[in-house]
Amino acid sequence: DTEVTQTPKHLVMGMTNKKSLKCEQHMGHRAMYWYKQKAKKPPELMFVYSYEKLSINESVPSRFSPECPNSSLLNLHLHALQPEDSALYLCASSQDLGGTHYEQYFGPGTRLTVT
Amino acid sequence: SQKIEQNSEALNIQEGKTATLTCNYTNYSPAYLQWYRQDPGRGPVFLLLIRENEKEKRKERLKVTFDTTLKQSLFHITASQPADSATYLCALPLRGSQGNLIFGKGTKLSVKP
Repeated sequence: DTEVTQTPKHLVMGMTNKKSLKCEQHMGHRAMYWYKQKAKKPPELMFVYSYEKLSINESVPSRFSPECPNSSLLNLHLHALQPEDSALYLCASSQDLGGTHYEQYFGPGTRLTVT
Repeated sequence: SQKIEQNSEALNIQEGKTATLTCNYTNYSPAYLQWYRQDPGRGPVFLLLIRENEKEKRKERLKVTFDTTLKQSLFHITASQPADSATYLCALPLRGSQGNLIFGKGTKLSVKP
């Protein structure tokens, strides 16, 4: 199974709402990532978890809060977002951060619209 | 700071021809470079990884070259098909990181029948 799943596929939320994005992989990968992608732009790294510990936080606003409950799951909690946060949110995983297995497997993304 | 550039935003070619996409980088000597394919509204899909000590890598109709002197990678699709139409992204590891990637803006390839 080389699949990364993400739920929901689409999410519309108001600026005062609290919602969560979910990501799951069953490839035994130990590194998981959140990316944000705006239209016609490349994916931008937001967070990296390695062995369930936050490894990198790329100066992301605190209204985005990641969580890694176990090695297969990754959540992104959203609170008090702004309309400019509307984007495609991608989850990815890789076997590890180090070693020779660097390719990342991406999920299909959650299309988020903030109204 | 490290920069990665994919010079063409869009490339239109005829079916059966070879598509060649370019990725240039500056201020960095990465240990490897990757290419991904992304279809509209979908996540990127890994295609090929090439390491700094490899000049060329092939996978079916795909070929990647890596010139560390020119700081450039070329990505070729031979005998292109309309199904190859997508955006192709090159990616490098973030400086000082292990496995965290920075992506180029991508080249949108359109293959006309």
